[in-house]
Amino acid sequence: QVQLQESGPGLVKPSETLSLTCTVSGYSISSGYYWGWIRQPPGKGLELIGSIDHSESIYYNPSLKGRVTISVDTSKNQFSLKLNSVTAADTAVYYCARAPALGYFDYWGQGTLVTVSS
Amino acid sequence: DIQMTQSPSSLSASVGDRVTITCRASQSISSYLNWYQQKPGKAPKVLIYAASSLQSGVPSRFSGSGSGTDFTLTISSLQPEDFATYYCQQSYSTPYSFGQGTKLEIK
Repeated sequence: QVQLQESGPGLVKPSETLSLTCTVSGYSISSGYYWGWIRQPPGKGLELIGSIDHSESIYYNPSLKGRVTISVDTSKNQFSLKLNSVTAADTAVYYCARAPALGYFDYWGQGTLVTVSS
Repeated sequence: DIQMTQSPSSLSASVGDRVTITCRASQSISSYLNWYQQKPGKAPKVLIYAASSLQSGVPSRFSGSGSGTDFTLTISSLQPEDFATYYCQQSYSTPYSFGQGTKLEIK
């Protein structure tokens, strides 16, 4: 059974960098698929942040204006998200998820709430 | 970017009702349309992918149809566990985008 688990600080100060890691079990990242980060501000809808595949082909949502970095560590079966220069608008539940080539997300982590506040 | 618009934004229905939720894309997305169900405090769960393919393990009362710009998710006979928020998502072109959601509530 494929499982994903997000980890990282739940509180980040404004202007600092949000860092999250997604640990995958039950499937090897190097075997394929796309691996993505999606966020959901409290009470709002879903936004795709970006994705990466095992060959490190990366996509970032242009709406985040170059603040995002996604990387993969196949030796640890993990992929990571860094979002710099955060503001209160970046407060959200952050999910990691797996996507087949058709682009839908079939396995999700439970999500982690990251609050941006001083 | 492709904009996804769902209607209605909220809906009240009773157990046993047939319910239809609509999703419209701002340009043609062929059949690259996916539907998710999200319950409070939980991650979304994919129900339908590629407009009409039922994800493994999803009850057959859920169905999807459409192509191009107009799509529908139908629940043939609402069950108590179906009260949730539903999202559509296009995976035709990046940035992949979601609809704003439809909250399905008990009447």
